[in-house]
Amino acid sequence: GAVVSQHPSWVICKSGTSVKIECRSLDFQATTMFWYRQFPKQSLMLMATSNEGSKATYEQGVEKDKFLINHASLTLSTLTVTSAHPEDSSFYICSAGGREKLFFGSGTQLSVL
Amino acid sequence: GQQLNQSPQSMFIQEGEDVSMNCTSSSIFNTWLWYKQDPGEGPVLLIALYKAGELTSNGRLTAQFGITRKDSFLNISASIPSDVGIYFCAGQRDFGNEKLTFGTGTRLTIIP
Repeated sequence: GAVVSQHPSWVICKSGTSVKIECRSLDFQATTMFWYRQFPKQSLMLMATSNEGSKATYEQGVEKDKFLINHASLTLSTLTVTSAHPEDSSFYICSAGGREKLFFGSGTQLSVL
Repeated sequence: GQQLNQSPQSMFIQEGEDVSMNCTSSSIFNTWLWYKQDPGEGPVLLIALYKAGELTSNGRLTAQFGITRKDSFLNISASIPSDVGIYFCAGQRDFGNEKLTFGTGTRLTIIP
């Protein structure tokens, strides 16, 4: 079946640095990918919709200059957390759609020291 | 952002018991999905519902799409240890490649 690969699985970084997370669709093309954030013991909250070849659409309250999204090909979207701070520590999950369903990556645990 | 109301928030049951959880929304969704998430992993799709009133099974799991399109139910029969985890409902307004609105989650724990 369709698989979405997310990398890295976890990352620890110093405050003020930038972190890039990759989301790949392995056996299908995804014109749209979604990025979610999940804080401990909470639900998944949509951050942005990544559109291949065009600008991402951000949900209300999500800073587009802080969370840079690039969807340069039909199989890859990247999320860059710029100038990360401890409050950005969270579990970030991407999803991509096949013909009928959305599939989720395995998530990236970001810890900012 | 919007979240769907999911209940109960947590459940403590014994192995072999049946489980029921539900999800409600103030607005209509055209697709309802149920996911299970294990710690440190992304959610995995359990059941997808595409039609109001639809009742769909996947092994020991049964889910229903409410007639009003504003709710959905998930039942798990004869629970086993690997059922432990967090269950999320999700609503999708348009069929196909549209963003999901997630429920608040139900944490299932099985008491030995």
